[in-house]
Amino acid sequence: GAGVSQSPSNKVTEKGKDVELRCDPISGHTALYWYRQRLGQGLEFLIYFQGNSAPDKSGLPSDRFSAERTGESVSTLTIQRTQQEDSAVYLCASSVYPQGSWGTEAFFGQGTRLTVV
Amino acid sequence: GNSVTQMEGPVTLSEEAFLTINCTYTATGYPSLFWYVQYPGEGLQLLLKATKADDKGSNKGFEATYRKETTSFHLEKGSVQVSDSAVYFCALTDGTASKLTFGTGTRLQVTL
Repeated sequence: GAGVSQSPSNKVTEKGKDVELRCDPISGHTALYWYRQRLGQGLEFLIYFQGNSAPDKSGLPSDRFSAERTGESVSTLTIQRTQQEDSAVYLCASSVYPQGSWGTEAFFGQGTRLTVV
Repeated sequence: GNSVTQMEGPVTLSEEAFLTINCTYTATGYPSLFWYVQYPGEGLQLLLKATKADDKGSNKGFEATYRKETTSFHLEKGSVQVSDSAVYFCALTDGTASKLTFGTGTRLQVTL
């Protein structure tokens, strides 16, 4: 597709359930990122994939969070045993090079709004 | 570590008013600086950038100058339009990091 695609756009889940969020990056983009945006706050980095390198997981808030990426394509972010504090918009972005390299632009999806009730 | 501080919003202006959204940063090394914008119902998109000190980024009438001496990257526009209503995010990367660090965002509302 023309842009970064995320699904679902909205997800309501019960506390304690697992959820899986999907991101389709722009074709040819080797770098892929997940961010979390809580209401009224900035974007919080979660995880970064670059080609076949080991992912940078330094932003994952707990071991309930994990993410995978198949090659240079689709990525899934999984949250196990969801808690109410996980409620947020989860944003995916992709870029040709690592973000910021030589001023590289990151392209963002529209996000998945997760509500844990 | 890296951090970005933006002025609190929301900012409400009348059409054709002058806009300034303040952004200051803390970073190691020599960061690249960015402004991203999120229009209602759309994803974040790059508005402008500057990759070294004294550079001026500009796009759609918006400008921001990379000021190393004041560690600032304030966003300005001389005459805002209703269509500029959006949330604006200041961001940086220090070049050694592989990810953008964002500010909290500033919501701009422009009225007729």
